[in-house]
Amino acid sequence: DIQMTQSPSSLSASVGDRVTITCRASQSISSYLNWYQQKPGKAPKLLIFGASSLQSGVPSRFTGSGSGTDFTLTISGLQPEDFASYYCQQSYSMSHTFGGGTKVEIK
Amino acid sequence: QVQLQESGPGLVKPSETLSLTCTVSGGSISGYSWSWIRQPPGKGLEWIGNIYYSGTTNYNPSLKSRVTLSLDTSLNQFSLKLRSVTAADTAIYYCSRETLNAFRGIIVFDYWGQGNLVTVSS
Repeated sequence: DIQMTQSPSSLSASVGDRVTITCRASQSISSYLNWYQQKPGKAPKLLIFGASSLQSGVPSRFTGSGSGTDFTLTISGLQPEDFASYYCQQSYSMSHTFGGGTKVEIK
Repeated sequence: QVQLQESGPGLVKPSETLSLTCTVSGGSISGYSWSWIRQPPGKGLEWIGNIYYSGTTNYNPSLKSRVTLSLDTSLNQFSLKLRSVTAADTAIYYCSRETLNAFRGIIVFDYWGQGNLVTVSS
């Protein structure tokens, strides 16, 4: 099984801040990495696929990068609606796995 | 617009079988893979398994011995059975559609149900 490790597990930030979340795979997954946003009481929503491609309708302040084992999600200019949890997920193997999540809270 | 809706009991007794159904509307079940994903209260997401419209299944190795997925194309539904449940199986259970993004050649979960909280308790 491919293990996905996210860090940090939580962070506090202010509106307008630049936030970076990292995700590390236990083996190379090329660019088979997606990012999801989840707000309380809601299902996750796809933000970025293929490590760096923005899903339609997602604001351009969200960017993804990385390949192999190390990936990052960056939010440039945090907005009030961005306070949520974020999960990475690998689709390299047939057994999909998620990272443990990062909760972005208001400072 | 594709919509998914989970249905099933909200309470299951320990050692019994958890059964959930996901009904797909606004689109056909054919041509896609369909997943179940769960989330214990306050915790992260865990992929349970998926079923292709042909009936081929893949399961999370940690749950494989207790899980069975099935689908009914005539009803546009797919289902989850999880046997011998314990309190550790208490979670929100989501159904989701897997789509292959042809541009990047990657599978994504693009549509999700609203989730069904299942509590395991006597």
